[in-house]
Amino acid sequence: QKEVEQDPGPLSVPEGAIVSLNCTYSNSAFQYFMWYRQYSRKGPELLMYTYSSGNKEDGRFTAQVDKSSKYISLFIRDSQPSDSATYLCAMSETTDSWGKLQFGAGTQVVVTP
Amino acid sequence: NAGVTQTPKFRILKIGQSMTLQCAQDMNHNYMYWYRQDPGMGLKLIYYSVGAGITDKGEVPNGYNVSRSTTEDFPLRLELAAPSQTSVYFCASSYSTRQGPRGAPQHFGDGTRLSIL
Repeated sequence: QKEVEQDPGPLSVPEGAIVSLNCTYSNSAFQYFMWYRQYSRKGPELLMYTYSSGNKEDGRFTAQVDKSSKYISLFIRDSQPSDSATYLCAMSETTDSWGKLQFGAGTQVVVTP
Repeated sequence: NAGVTQTPKFRILKIGQSMTLQCAQDMNHNYMYWYRQDPGMGLKLIYYSVGAGITDKGEVPNGYNVSRSTTEDFPLRLELAAPSQTSVYFCASSYSTRQGPRGAPQHFGDGTRLSIL
């Protein structure tokens, strides 16, 4: 069993819809949770990161962490064609550094005009 | 501000050849990392470094070597290239102190796409 599970998609939505992405994990020691966006032939770009449980909002993006269920989510409101990319979740258990991140395999998102 | 710069962007190698993938960062980050990304597999950590002169293995280090002589540079060496090393390689960096991480989690370069035939 992978330490971090993420549905690979593709997830296709019409422009303006809400995109809902999620990851599940098995390691209860994870404390830091990140979402990266990766455009084709580019490196991952950090979108948001959170510590422990709770919600965090940044513009059209909302990240949620439910440690009791070992489940994290990313919501993208008012989706745009420019949001079409692969979204990677990542997690870390250490507090002395960002440490060795465990990544999900990524979900491909396609936003159609 | 360049961030993390990787060279080359593309490379084709023959089986048994060797090469060095270059990575440089200009953010004065002390931590640097090398990952490989294979389709459907996510990113796997190859090696990482917590500062000049200090390196350690990640999850998939076999067939690779690293060195860290300066804060800015963290080259990855492939010796005796094998088809299984065909992948996209990403370098990343971050900053931490004894009190914990500072700033954002890892910044990534745009990768080196390597094919071994």
